[in-house]
Amino acid sequence: DTAVSQTPKYLVTQMGNDKSIKCEQNLGHDTMYWYKQDSKKFLKIMFSYNNKELIINETVPNRFSPKSPDKAHLNLHINSLELGDSAVYFCASSPRADEQFFGPGTRLTVL
Amino acid sequence: EDQVTQSPEALRLQEGESSSLNCSYTVSGLRGLFWYRQDPGKGPEFLFTLYSAGEEKEKERLKATLTKKESFLHITAPKPEDSATYLCAMASGGSYIPTFGRGTSLIVHP
Repeated sequence: DTAVSQTPKYLVTQMGNDKSIKCEQNLGHDTMYWYKQDSKKFLKIMFSYNNKELIINETVPNRFSPKSPDKAHLNLHINSLELGDSAVYFCASSPRADEQFFGPGTRLTVL
Repeated sequence: EDQVTQSPEALRLQEGESSSLNCSYTVSGLRGLFWYRQDPGKGPEFLFTLYSAGEEKEKERLKATLTKKESFLHITAPKPEDSATYLCAMASGGSYIPTFGRGTSLIVHP
């Protein structure tokens, strides 16, 4: 199936740990994104990555770092997890800037 | 500061009862206004992009319209499978990176 996939779907971890979320798209898109959706369903962009250019959202703590080994993958690494990091994280990709395809989400719970 | 406000927060309809969802925005230099549908436990699904005031787009029972200050998502004769959260977003300035509203949760009862 052509899609945006994320692993894991659920992630439960202790405060202070480091974790990664993986994202892959087989749609051939050049641009990929990471979003955070909080408990009130508010969806906010964290990063945009177009080929070799990373656009960083200044409101994102530097504990969050995206890593793109190639055009089809954009992983999210989070250091020193905090309670407030609990949320659903969505990866997305786009062929054109005006239409985005979202993955199924990763629900992160920090205890 | 660019802002997107959606109303109502929640809407309950009977099957066949047409209605509209509202998305009002404040922006300098609208690049695009987007509508997405999100089902529980899933990622948002793209519906429409509108670029300029007066533009309209349709898809099955959904029709999106755009003015200089707001966008409407009209739902004609909805069915229970139209139940979802509908998200509005806009992009401004030099990029298409969207700012999302908080969504309208729609429930259509059979």
